[in-house]
Amino acid sequence: EVQLVESGGGLVQPGGSLRLSCAASGFTFSNFAMSWVRQAPGKGLEWVSAISDSGTITYYGDSVKGRFTISRDNSKSTLYLQVNSLSAEDTAVYYCVKEPADYWGQGTLVTVSS
Amino acid sequence: SYELTQPSSVSVSPGQTARIICSGDVLAKKYARWFQQKPGQAPVLVNYKDSERPSGIPERFSGSSSGTTVTLTISGAQVEDEADYYCYSATDNNLGVFGGGTKLTVL
Repeated sequence: EVQLVESGGGLVQPGGSLRLSCAASGFTFSNFAMSWVRQAPGKGLEWVSAISDSGTITYYGDSVKGRFTISRDNSKSTLYLQVNSLSAEDTAVYYCVKEPADYWGQGTLVTVSS
Repeated sequence: SYELTQPSSVSVSPGQTARIICSGDVLAKKYARWFQQKPGQAPVLVNYKDSERPSGIPERFSGSSSGTTVTLTISGAQVEDEADYYCYSATDNNLGVFGGGTKLTVL
């Protein structure tokens, strides 16, 4: 059974940083590209970032480029998202997604507030 | 443009056919996916490559494409199909883009 379990969310002050993790199991992690998608409270889905199966190619949405960094450790079957310079607009549930988007985690909530 | 446009809401009676349209220039060149999201739950893929249905998704969910428009059709909508639906595609440089979402009401 495919499982994606996010962690690392929480309350952070504006300008702060967090490292989100997604532990994957039930499939050969190194064979699949992965993505992060977020959803602000009461709002729609927003694509954030994606990474190739090997980790050598990364993509970022305009709203996070230069502040967020996606990475992966295939030996640990874990996906990461380093989020820096956070603002209130980054408050959202962050979902880990196995491409081609056939499996999603349950999400981890990031709240940016003073 | 890299925007995908959906109606904010669609309403049908149980057993009727619901159609949700998504439009955007990128759809002329790239495949679309559709996701269903119920309150408090993660999204679920219900359609990909414009018209393919993942295993486990009821046959009443179908997709189609024409030019810069894709359509998710729910034939004989059920009360349990009430949810938010999002279209998705990717740009030429592999950046993802979601539509704004459509709230489907079945009552």
